[in-house]
Amino acid sequence: ETGVTQTPRHLVMGMTNKKSLKCEQHLGHNAMYWYKQSAKKPLELMFVYNFKEQTENNSVPSRFSPECPNSSHLFLHLHTLQPEDSALYLCASSRLHGGGVRSYNEQFFGPGTRLTVL
Amino acid sequence: AQKVTQAQTEISVVEKEDVTLDCVYETRDTTYYLFWYKQPPSGELVFLIRRNSFDEQNEISGRYSWNFQKSTSSFNFTITASQVVDSAVYFCALSNRDDKIIFGKGTRLHILP
Repeated sequence: ETGVTQTPRHLVMGMTNKKSLKCEQHLGHNAMYWYKQSAKKPLELMFVYNFKEQTENNSVPSRFSPECPNSSHLFLHLHTLQPEDSALYLCASSRLHGGGVRSYNEQFFGPGTRLTVL
Repeated sequence: AQKVTQAQTEISVVEKEDVTLDCVYETRDTTYYLFWYKQPPSGELVFLIRRNSFDEQNEISGRYSWNFQKSTSSFNFTITASQVVDSAVYFCALSNRDDKIIFGKGTRLHILP
């Protein structure tokens, strides 16, 4: 148990559905991340939220819409997905320090949501 | 540009053997951080270690040890006396910013009983 929870753990949806993935961290961290992990591909960073502000959007299609209402919660809203979007979606959080040589930035991951798009 | 290369896609060893997972990185920054994560079949990435670029001291934690060599830009991970529970995908990662980590493609490790 890393202190990062994700729901649901498994999701099957049709291409016309709208669903949301939820991530919650109980670690007092101030940054949260969404990653996509497809079979036989490296981890792909999708979005980064730093103190609730989005600081990274890695050319992610608009059918993925993140929301970060506070530093403990992160959502990924899904709509009109494609079968190739089927993957493991991982949420992570970290504590960001103010920069400088000794900043710590290891990320702690949730268990992931296994998404299947039919 | 930053890059992490894990040349070993898949490794199989018999239980109790030692195994080393290789990691080579590229970065132009003088200050950076290196990580290893473990991903068991359950899917969750488990943080194992962080190493700062200004600290080349090797580290040992139980059966795990890490060899950081700046001269060869490598950060290799050795498991001594491997166990079946060590079977997982292991990721090496690099960061030079607080909020972005670049992951390698991972090495799938099979420990055979």
